[in-house]
Amino acid sequence: GEDVEQSLFLSVREGDSSVINCTYTDSSSTYLYWYKQEPGAGLQLLTYIFSNMDMKQDQRLTVLLNKKDKHLSLRIADTQTGDSAIYFCAEKGNQGGKLIFGQGTELSVKP
Amino acid sequence: DGGITQSPKYLFRKEGQNVTLSCEQNLNHDAMYWYRQDPGQGLRLIYYSQIVNDFQKGDIAEGYSVSREKKESFPLTVTSAQKNPTAFYLCASSIGRDRIGYTFGSGTRLTVV
Repeated sequence: GEDVEQSLFLSVREGDSSVINCTYTDSSSTYLYWYKQEPGAGLQLLTYIFSNMDMKQDQRLTVLLNKKDKHLSLRIADTQTGDSAIYFCAEKGNQGGKLIFGQGTELSVKP
Repeated sequence: DGGITQSPKYLFRKEGQNVTLSCEQNLNHDAMYWYRQDPGQGLRLIYYSQIVNDFQKGDIAEGYSVSREKKESFPLTVTSAQKNPTAFYLCASSIGRDRIGYTFGSGTRLTVV
């Protein structure tokens, strides 16, 4: 079945780069997403990548997709304390448009 | 501005009571979803609806019920049959098969007292 895996925690120092990793199982996924959740709030869409792309860059965010290994990563350059949040990876298969979410990675940014 | 609104933000329920969480969207989205979030467990799908008057069970539907009488509204009832209802509940909507993914509400925190 479809499954998305992420590590649960990541801690970095302010100004460093953060890399959050995700693996998925559905090779028919059309789009892959990164969402950010701040404490007590809903999820905000950060960025997404189509499955025929290898990389997408959007300001401080870089998404890398290795379709052969079914591996997705989100790199945040010059990480700030305001980036502290939970980051969710999600895949969208071909059936019904539902997204499958990972468990979320809690990013902690230390000053 | 278009968006998705969940209410209330905080809800307290006594043992044995049913409670209903509201979710309303003015995005003209066809599909709506309810998720439950517990610490360290990510998002688990409770119910979803892809068109009005139709809905399907997700992975953890037991103890919950929904209705979809209007396109804009997808209320979730947490019944007394739900053994451990304390959680953060998130509603989302999407056009259906577009690439933009879901738009989420700000969530309702339900606590059993």
